[in-house]
Amino acid sequence: EVQLVESGGGVVQPGGSLRLSCAASGFTFDDYAMHWVRQAPGKGLEWVSLISGDGGSTYYADSVKGRFTISRDNSKNSLYLQMNSLRTEDTALYYCAKELRIAAAGPAFDYWGQGTLVTVSS
Amino acid sequence: SYVLTQPPSVSVAPGQTARITCGGNNIGSKSVHWYQQKPGQAPVLVVYDDSDRPSGIPERFSGSNSGNTATLTISRVEAGDEADYYCQVWDSSSDHEVFGGGTKLTVL
Repeated sequence: EVQLVESGGGVVQPGGSLRLSCAASGFTFDDYAMHWVRQAPGKGLEWVSLISGDGGSTYYADSVKGRFTISRDNSKNSLYLQMNSLRTEDTALYYCAKELRIAAAGPAFDYWGQGTLVTVSS
Repeated sequence: SYVLTQPPSVSVAPGQTARITCGGNNIGSKSVHWYQQKPGQAPVLVVYDDSDRPSGIPERFSGSNSGNTATLTISRVEAGDEADYYCQVWDSSSDHEVFGGGTKLTVL
């Protein structure tokens, strides 16, 4: 059974940093690209970042580029999101999500974690 | 950047058909995916690649995509279908995933 479990959320002041983790199980982790998607309270889904299966390619939403860094450790079946220079508008539930297929163009996400809440507030 | 436009809300009576649209420039040339999200839960993929269903998703859920509009159709709507629905595409010109703003489906 595929499982994605996020952790690392919490309350941080503007300008601070947090590192989110996503522990994956139930599939061959390094075969699949992984994503972070966030959802501000009462708002819609916003894509944040993507990393390829081997970690060699990364992509970011314009709203987080230069502040967030996605990475993965395939030996630990884990995905990470290092978030620096946090702003109040980064407050959201952060989900990790697995792509449906290996190396597909235009990917869909077939599994999502339950999310970890990040609150940026003074 | 590529923009996907969804109606904020759609209402339908039980047993009727709900249609949720997703508008985008030449969206018919892209693969569109649809997610259902109920309150307090993570999104669930209900249609991918315009019209395919993941295993476990009822046949009542179907999709189409042509021109500038993709559509998620839910036939014989049930109370349990009440949720927010999001469309999604990959914008290859910017290497970004894009989500629509979401549509709240209300079952009357």
